[in-house]
Amino acid sequence: QKEVEQDPGPLSVPEGAIVSLNCTYSNSAFQYFMWYRQYSRKGPELLMYTYSSGNKEDGRFTAQVDKSSKYISLFIRDSQPSDSATYLCAMGYGGSQGNLIFGKGTKLSVKP
Amino acid sequence: GAVVSQHPSWVICKSGTSVKIECRSLDFQATTMFWYRQFPKQSLMLMATSNEGSKATYEQGVEKDKFLINHASLTLSTLTVTSAHPEDSSFYICSARDIGLSLRETQYFGPGTRLLVL
Repeated sequence: QKEVEQDPGPLSVPEGAIVSLNCTYSNSAFQYFMWYRQYSRKGPELLMYTYSSGNKEDGRFTAQVDKSSKYISLFIRDSQPSDSATYLCAMGYGGSQGNLIFGKGTKLSVKP
Repeated sequence: GAVVSQHPSWVICKSGTSVKIECRSLDFQATTMFWYRQFPKQSLMLMATSNEGSKATYEQGVEKDKFLINHASLTLSTLTVTSAHPEDSSFYICSARDIGLSLRETQYFGPGTRLLVL
C-alpha cells in the first residue's frame, strides 16, 4: 500500500460547481497536510496548509482533515476555469528533515 | 514573499554533456532545498535533500555521482546532471524551506526546468 493515495482523475466539472478532491494515507505519523496546485509546465504552488483535524477555509477553498480516517479533502466552491490545474496533496512528518510525501495529483478541468 | 526561481527554465543538450540547474530563494533564506523530478503525468519524485554547507542526502535509486548537488549558500542550490542521456529528460523542480517561518514544513517551489537530452 502506498503511503499516499490520490485519484488521478481527470475530473471535469462545469463552471460554478463545487469540487471535491481527496487523498487517503496509511501512516498515522503524518502531522502536516498540504494542498498544492500545479499548472501545466509550472512548479507547484502552495494552496492550503493544515496540521490538525477539522476544516480550514481560505476564500473559495476549504481543506478538511480527518486523522481518524486518514483522509484529507480539498473543496473548491464556485469553481472557475482558472482553477483548471493538477492538484497535489502532500503530507509531512515534521521534524528537521521536512520531507513531503506527495500524492500523484488530480487533474481538474473546469468548463466555462 | 517566498519566491523561488530556477534557471534555466528549459534546456536542450546533446547526450553526454553536463547540465547545471540553479535554484534560488529570492526573498528568504533556505537552509534546506529539495530537488524533484517529474515525468509526464506523474507526481513529484524527490531526488535529494540539499542542506546548506553539507552533503546532500539522496533518495534510494538516485545516483549521487550523476546528479551533483551543491548548496553553497542560504539562497542558492545547484543540480548538475553529468553525462546526460535521453532517459534523463524530465522536468526538474526545486523547492525551499523558509527558516524564518513557523510553518517550516512548508516547501515553496520553483517554476521548474525542462531538460531534453537528444
